[in-house]
Amino acid sequence: AQSVTQLGSHVSVSEGALVLLRCNYSSSVPPYLFWYVQYPNQGLQLLLKYTTGATLVKGINGFEAEFKKSETSFHLTKPSAHMSDAAEYFCAVIGGGGNKLTFGTGTQLKVEL
Amino acid sequence: DAGVTQSPTHLIKTRGQQVTLRCSPKSGHDTVSWYQQALGQGPQFIFQYYEEEERQRGNFPDRFSGHQFPNYSSELNVNALLLGDSALYLCASSLQGNMNTEAFFGQGTRLTVV
Repeated sequence: AQSVTQLGSHVSVSEGALVLLRCNYSSSVPPYLFWYVQYPNQGLQLLLKYTTGATLVKGINGFEAEFKKSETSFHLTKPSAHMSDAAEYFCAVIGGGGNKLTFGTGTQLKVEL
Repeated sequence: DAGVTQSPTHLIKTRGQQVTLRCSPKSGHDTVSWYQQALGQGPQFIFQYYEEEERQRGNFPDRFSGHQFPNYSSELNVNALLLGDSALYLCASSLQGNMNTEAFFGQGTRLTVV
């Protein structure tokens, strides 16, 4: 069965600083990996996804993530944080049959002035 | 394109009651998945409907059931509500058979069981 682990339930950065949100996955087959963002009282919005091909994927709002098979990781980064990035971020995986998403427990990102 | 729409947005029910939540998928999508998101947790997969049949199911009891209509819209029914069923229920639509497809989520229905 597939799973994802998000390290750090809360991350705080200063505006303009690098954002790094960590995600490690476990999958018995080559995974499809996703990052979603959730603003308060909202649904989930896809930031980016890795399916096949280039391991560095770029998403919306300046975010990107790199698939590293050797490290079973898919960390999310953004060079310069903005106040509007404050939200909860979920890493998710599809793998091992079917196309259901398996989510991590989420990381709450706080951006401070 | 209206995207994925869910109704109602909020509701309050009493323990033991039954509830029905509704979802209309994004135009062009034929598959609907339901997720339960408890407070402070990631979404948990409940089940998925395609061609009016349940295709996949997560670890949820039979009190959770669903339906998909010919127009691809879907309902989630929960019987004999428990306090622990209080959560945000998210509907996602996608294209079946295409794991590359993006799953679009609705805004969710916030269910409170008292």
